[in-house]
Amino acid sequence: ILNVEQSPQSLHVQEGDSTNFTCSFPSSNFYALHWYRWETAKSPEALFVMTLNGDEKKKGRISATLNTKEGYSYLYIKGSQPEDSATYLCAFKGGFKTIFGAGTRLFVKA
Amino acid sequence: EAQVTQNPRYLITVTGKKLTVTCSQNMNHEYMSWYRQDPGLGLRQIYYSMNVEVTDKGDVPEGYKVSRKEKRNFPLILESPSPNQTSLYFCASSLQGVETQYFGPGTRLLVL
Repeated sequence: ILNVEQSPQSLHVQEGDSTNFTCSFPSSNFYALHWYRWETAKSPEALFVMTLNGDEKKKGRISATLNTKEGYSYLYIKGSQPEDSATYLCAFKGGFKTIFGAGTRLFVKA
Repeated sequence: EAQVTQNPRYLITVTGKKLTVTCSQNMNHEYMSWYRQDPGLGLRQIYYSMNVEVTDKGDVPEGYKVSRKEKRNFPLILESPSPNQTSLYFCASSLQGVETQYFGPGTRLLVL
């Protein structure tokens, strides 16, 4: 079974702090890397789909980068707000299969 | 409204009693998938379907069956549920296999 690792497992920051998380995935048979945001009692919602090495995506204060050769992606949040508190999931697409990491749980304190 | 629906949302059952969790999407998506979520393990793929009548195993298919007779529906069948299938289940769909997935609201299953 292929492995997707996310770090850290959880993160506590103050409002206004910038933060980043890591997703490590297999560097072979790469099709796409997805980032999702998952709030408690809700369903995961898509943030980014990344397909090309060197890809950078941005949505508001959140951005992501991708390195397929070394098998990692970073998610950055600039100026964290309490509403950013959620679990951030990455998902590796190797063909039609999807492998999720266990997620990074972010807590932003006002 | 574009959405993925699942039913039931909550289910308590007993070991061995066959059950079906339905999943339906109204976005004409080709790809559909089932996941289970357990504490500390993240989402694990049970089965996926690339199109009508085309399904394949994910990482944890044991004890589950699926079918894809119509494009919009992808039911998950537990022929003989066991307590280790107690979990939160999500159905998801995407336009095609590598694109972003849209998730249903989840079904919380307890097998006694």
